[in-house]
Amino acid sequence: GAVVSQHPSRVICKSGTSVKIECRSLDFQATTMFWYRQFPKKSLMLMATSNEGSKATYEQGVEKDKFLINHASLTLSTLTVTSAHPEDSSFYICSANDRIYSYEQYFGPGTRLTVT
Amino acid sequence: AQSVSQHNHHVILSEAASLELGCNYSYGGTVNLFWYVQYPGQHLQLLLKYFSGDPLVKGIKGFEAEFIKSKFSFNLRKPSVQWSDTAEYFCAVNERNNDMRFGAGTRLTVKP
Repeated sequence: GAVVSQHPSRVICKSGTSVKIECRSLDFQATTMFWYRQFPKKSLMLMATSNEGSKATYEQGVEKDKFLINHASLTLSTLTVTSAHPEDSSFYICSANDRIYSYEQYFGPGTRLTVT
Repeated sequence: AQSVSQHNHHVILSEAASLELGCNYSYGGTVNLFWYVQYPGQHLQLLLKYFSGDPLVKGIKGFEAEFIKSKFSFNLRKPSVQWSDTAEYFCAVNERNNDMRFGAGTRLTVKP
């Protein structure tokens, strides 16, 4: 089946620094990639949707200047958390649509971000 | 507002018990429906999906779900759970524009 990877799986950073998380579709081309945030004991919250070569579409309440998303190719999207704060600590998950079967999403394993 | 509701936050069962997890959505149009499972320490995996056709969908590991359009529901069932089914289960819905919305999740604990 389709595989999506994320790197790193865990990252610890200091307040005020920026962190980049990569999301790759390994065996298919992703028309669209999605970024989610998962809070403890809560569901996944869609942060933004990105299409290759165009600007990401952010959900209401998500700061686009803080969570920079770049979708440079059909297999790679990056999320950069800028000027991280402890409240940004969370589990970030990406997913991708297969170009042909566009209604199904394949999820990455997630990245645990801890901001100290 | 469009939403996905999962009725049970935490379900505890003994092995061999039957399972039904509720999922309701409030979308008015044509939807695609999914159930995902997240085992401890692992990423989300697709259990089953419904796009069209037979409203009774069979997925992996003996799970099935029934789409009842009149009730806006897509409940997940398994006749006999195992300890290895202990996980978090998420119902998800998307419309044709591909935005997927998740329910809050249901934690299933199966006691051996």
